Amino acid sequence: GAVVSQHPSWVICKSGTSVKIECRSLDFQATTMFWYRQFPKQSLMLMATSNEGSKATYEQGVEKDKFLINHASLTLSTLTVTSAHPEDSSFYICSATGTSGGTDEQYFGPGTRLTVT
Amino acid sequence: AQSVAQPEDQVNVAEGNPLTVKCTYSVSGNPYLFWYVQYPNRGLQFLLKYITGDNLVKGSYGFEAEFNKSQTSFHLKKPSALVSDSALYFCAVMGGSARQLTFGSGTQLTVLP
Repeated sequence: GAVVSQHPSWVICKSGTSVKIECRSLDFQATTMFWYRQFPKQSLMLMATSNEGSKATYEQGVEKDKFLINHASLTLSTLTVTSAHPEDSSFYICSATGTSGGTDEQYFGPGTRLTVT
Repeated sequence: AQSVAQPEDQVNVAEGNPLTVKCTYSVSGNPYLFWYVQYPNRGLQFLLKYITGDNLVKGSYGFEAEFNKSQTSFHLKKPSALVSDSALYFCAVMGGSARQLTFGSGTQLTVLP
Protein backbone atom coordinates (compact mmCIF):
# COMPACT_ATOMS: atom_id res chain seq x y z
CA GLY A 1 0.00 0.00 0.00
CA ALA A 2 0.81 3.73 0.05
CA VAL A 3 1.96 4.01 -3.54
CA VAL A 4 2.64 7.34 -5.20
CA SER A 5 3.06 7.64 -8.95
CA GLN A 6 4.39 10.43 -11.12
CA HIS A 7 3.81 11.14 -14.78
CA PRO A 8 5.73 11.54 -16.93
CA SER A 9 8.87 9.83 -15.70
CA TRP A 10 10.94 11.98 -18.01
CA VAL A 11 10.23 14.87 -20.34
CA ILE A 12 12.22 17.00 -22.74
CA CYS A 13 10.84 20.37 -23.71
CA LYS A 14 11.97 23.47 -25.52
CA SER A 15 12.85 26.66 -23.74
CA GLY A 16 9.81 28.88 -23.27
CA THR A 17 7.23 26.13 -23.16
CA SER A 18 5.33 24.87 -20.12
CA VAL A 19 5.42 21.38 -18.67
CA LYS A 20 2.95 19.72 -16.32
CA ILE A 21 3.96 16.94 -13.94
CA GLU A 22 1.33 14.84 -12.22
CA CYS A 23 1.61 13.22 -8.80
CA ARG A 24 -1.00 10.67 -7.78
CA SER A 25 -1.60 8.70 -4.63
CA LEU A 26 -2.88 5.35 -5.88
CA ASP A 27 -4.29 3.69 -2.81
CA PHE A 28 -4.76 6.37 -0.20
CA GLN A 29 -6.05 9.88 0.16
CA ALA A 30 -3.26 12.40 0.23
CA THR A 31 -4.26 15.31 2.37
CA THR A 32 -0.83 16.90 1.95
CA MET A 33 1.57 16.67 -0.95
CA PHE A 34 5.10 17.96 -1.16
CA TRP A 35 7.17 18.89 -4.21
CA TYR A 36 10.94 18.59 -4.17
CA ARG A 37 13.68 19.43 -6.60
CA GLN A 38 16.94 17.55 -6.78
CA PHE A 39 20.05 18.49 -8.74
CA PRO A 40 22.57 15.82 -9.68
CA LYS A 41 24.36 14.33 -6.70
CA GLN A 42 22.60 16.73 -4.36
CA SER A 43 19.94 16.52 -1.72
CA LEU A 44 16.24 17.09 -2.09
CA MET A 45 15.14 20.67 -1.67
CA LEU A 46 11.55 21.27 -0.68
CA MET A 47 9.83 23.58 -3.14
CA ALA A 48 6.30 23.72 -1.79
CA THR A 49 3.68 22.08 0.39
CA SER A 50 0.13 21.73 -0.82
CA ASN A 51 -3.03 20.75 0.99
CA GLU A 52 -6.05 19.56 -0.92
CA GLY A 53 -8.34 22.40 -1.85
CA SER A 54 -6.07 25.21 -0.73
CA LYS A 55 -3.19 27.22 -2.13
CA ALA A 56 0.29 25.80 -1.93
CA THR A 57 2.84 27.16 0.52
CA TYR A 58 6.09 27.88 -1.26
CA GLU A 59 9.54 27.79 0.28
CA GLN A 60 11.64 30.90 0.28
CA GLY A 61 13.24 31.52 -3.08
CA VAL A 62 10.77 29.43 -5.08
CA GLU A 63 8.85 31.46 -7.66
CA LYS A 64 5.20 30.68 -7.25
CA ASP A 65 4.32 32.15 -10.64
CA LYS A 66 6.83 29.90 -12.32
CA PHE A 67 6.09 26.69 -10.47
CA LEU A 68 2.31 26.40 -10.37
CA ILE A 69 0.99 23.80 -7.99
CA ASN A 70 -2.57 22.54 -7.96
CA HIS A 71 -3.94 20.03 -5.47
CA ALA A 72 -7.50 19.75 -6.69
CA SER A 73 -8.32 16.34 -5.28
CA LEU A 74 -7.20 13.99 -2.53
CA THR A 75 -5.33 11.83 -5.02
CA LEU A 76 -3.81 14.29 -7.46
CA SER A 77 -1.42 17.19 -7.35
CA THR A 78 0.18 18.82 -10.37
CA LEU A 79 3.29 20.91 -10.80
CA THR A 80 3.45 23.09 -13.88
CA VAL A 81 6.77 24.62 -14.83
CA THR A 82 5.84 27.68 -16.85
CA SER A 83 8.08 29.23 -19.49
CA ALA A 84 10.74 26.66 -18.78
CA HIS A 85 14.40 27.51 -19.19
CA PRO A 86 17.47 25.27 -19.21
CA GLU A 87 18.21 26.12 -15.56
CA ASP A 88 14.87 24.50 -14.67
CA SER A 89 16.27 21.17 -15.81
CA SER A 90 16.23 18.95 -12.76
CA PHE A 91 14.74 15.89 -11.11
CA TYR A 92 11.36 16.68 -9.55
CA ILE A 93 10.01 14.40 -6.85
CA CYS A 94 6.67 14.51 -5.11
CA SER A 95 5.63 12.92 -1.86
CA ALA A 96 2.36 12.55 -0.03
CA THR A 97 1.02 12.06 3.44
CA GLY A 98 -2.50 11.26 4.34
CA THR A 99 -4.83 8.66 5.60
CA SER A 100 -2.44 5.76 5.16
CA GLY A 101 0.14 5.19 7.87
CA GLY A 102 -0.56 8.38 9.74
CA THR A 103 0.90 11.78 9.16
CA ASP A 104 4.41 10.96 10.28
CA GLU A 105 5.49 9.38 7.04
CA GLN A 106 5.83 10.65 3.50
CA TYR A 107 5.50 8.34 0.54
CA PHE A 108 7.60 9.34 -2.43
CA GLY A 109 6.93 9.17 -6.12
CA PRO A 110 9.56 7.81 -8.52
CA GLY A 111 10.47 11.28 -9.77
CA THR A 112 10.31 13.11 -13.09
CA ARG A 113 13.43 14.06 -15.02
CA LEU A 114 12.89 17.39 -16.79
CA THR A 115 15.32 18.51 -19.47
CA VAL A 116 14.83 21.91 -21.05
CA THR A 117 16.68 22.47 -24.30
CA ALA B 1 14.86 25.53 12.44
CA GLN B 2 15.67 21.88 11.97
CA SER B 3 18.74 20.56 10.22
CA VAL B 4 20.48 17.33 9.38
CA ALA B 5 24.16 16.72 8.78
CA GLN B 6 25.68 13.80 6.95
CA PRO B 7 29.40 14.38 7.36
CA GLU B 8 30.53 11.86 4.75
CA ASP B 9 29.86 12.41 1.07
CA GLN B 10 31.17 8.96 0.25
CA VAL B 11 31.51 5.71 2.18
CA ASN B 12 33.28 2.69 0.72
CA VAL B 13 33.09 -0.73 2.31
CA ALA B 14 33.97 -4.24 1.23
CA GLU B 15 31.18 -6.72 0.68
CA GLY B 16 30.48 -8.72 3.83
CA ASN B 17 31.87 -6.06 6.13
CA PRO B 18 29.70 -3.99 8.45
CA LEU B 19 28.73 -0.52 7.26
CA THR B 20 27.85 2.70 9.04
CA VAL B 21 26.46 5.86 7.48
CA LYS B 22 26.53 8.79 9.87
CA CYS B 23 23.81 11.33 10.60
CA THR B 24 23.41 14.03 13.21
CA TYR B 25 20.41 16.26 13.62
CA SER B 26 19.17 19.44 15.22
CA VAL B 27 15.51 19.97 16.01
CA SER B 28 13.44 21.54 18.73
CA GLY B 29 11.25 19.07 20.51
CA ASN B 30 11.20 15.34 20.01
CA PRO B 31 12.77 14.28 16.72
CA TYR B 32 11.10 12.19 14.07
CA LEU B 33 14.01 10.69 12.13
CA PHE B 34 14.09 8.82 8.86
CA TRP B 35 16.48 7.06 6.51
CA TYR B 36 15.81 6.79 2.80
CA VAL B 37 17.75 5.18 -0.04
CA GLN B 38 17.83 6.40 -3.63
CA TYR B 39 18.99 4.44 -6.65
CA PRO B 40 20.01 6.32 -9.84
CA ASN B 41 17.13 8.19 -11.48
CA ARG B 42 14.67 6.83 -8.95
CA GLY B 43 12.62 8.30 -6.16
CA LEU B 44 13.30 7.69 -2.50
CA GLN B 45 12.65 4.38 -0.83
CA PHE B 46 11.85 4.33 2.87
CA LEU B 47 14.25 2.30 5.01
CA LEU B 48 13.30 3.02 8.60
CA LYS B 49 12.15 5.63 11.05
CA TYR B 50 12.43 6.56 14.70
CA ILE B 51 9.45 8.15 16.37
CA THR B 52 9.63 6.90 19.92
CA GLY B 53 10.50 3.74 21.83
CA ASP B 54 13.59 1.58 21.47
CA ASN B 55 16.69 3.43 20.43
CA LEU B 56 17.63 0.65 18.01
CA VAL B 57 15.31 0.68 15.04
CA LYS B 58 15.22 -2.14 12.52
CA GLY B 59 14.20 -1.49 8.96
CA SER B 60 14.12 -2.86 5.45
CA TYR B 61 16.83 -4.94 3.76
CA GLY B 62 18.64 -5.69 7.04
CA PHE B 63 19.36 -2.07 7.88
CA GLU B 64 19.08 -0.66 11.36
CA ALA B 65 19.73 2.67 13.00
CA GLU B 66 20.54 3.73 16.51
CA PHE B 67 19.01 6.84 17.99
CA ASN B 68 21.34 8.56 20.44
CA LYS B 69 19.71 11.52 22.10
CA SER B 70 22.78 12.77 23.95
CA GLN B 71 24.84 12.82 20.77
CA THR B 72 21.89 13.87 18.58
CA SER B 73 22.82 11.13 16.16
CA PHE B 74 20.93 8.57 14.11
CA HIS B 75 23.57 6.47 12.35
CA LEU B 76 22.51 3.87 9.81
CA LYS B 77 24.10 0.45 10.13
CA LYS B 78 24.13 -2.96 8.53
CA PRO B 79 26.10 -5.95 9.85
CA SER B 80 27.10 -7.32 6.45
CA ALA B 81 27.10 -5.15 3.34
CA LEU B 82 25.98 -6.31 -0.10
CA VAL B 83 27.09 -4.95 -3.46
CA SER B 84 23.41 -4.22 -4.14
CA ASP B 85 23.39 -1.84 -1.15
CA SER B 86 25.42 0.61 -3.23
CA ALA B 87 23.22 3.71 -3.51
CA LEU B 88 22.67 7.21 -2.20
CA TYR B 89 21.42 7.38 1.38
CA PHE B 90 19.57 10.27 2.93
CA CYS B 91 18.88 10.98 6.57
CA ALA B 92 15.92 13.25 7.29
CA VAL B 93 14.17 14.88 10.22
CA MET B 94 10.53 15.81 10.34
CA GLY B 95 9.14 18.85 12.05
CA GLY B 96 6.92 21.86 11.73
CA SER B 97 3.17 22.06 11.60
CA ALA B 98 3.13 20.80 8.02
CA ARG B 99 5.26 17.78 8.97
CA GLN B 100 7.95 18.79 6.52
CA LEU B 101 11.04 16.69 5.97
CA THR B 102 14.47 18.26 6.03
CA PHE B 103 17.08 16.12 4.32
CA GLY B 104 20.77 15.75 4.85
CA SER B 105 23.13 16.20 1.93
CA GLY B 106 23.27 12.48 1.24
CA THR B 107 25.99 9.85 1.46
CA GLN B 108 27.00 7.77 -1.52
CA LEU B 109 27.61 4.22 -0.32
CA THR B 110 29.74 1.98 -2.49
CA VAL B 111 30.10 -1.67 -1.56
CA LEU B 112 33.09 -3.22 -3.25
CA PRO B 113 32.97 -6.89 -4.31
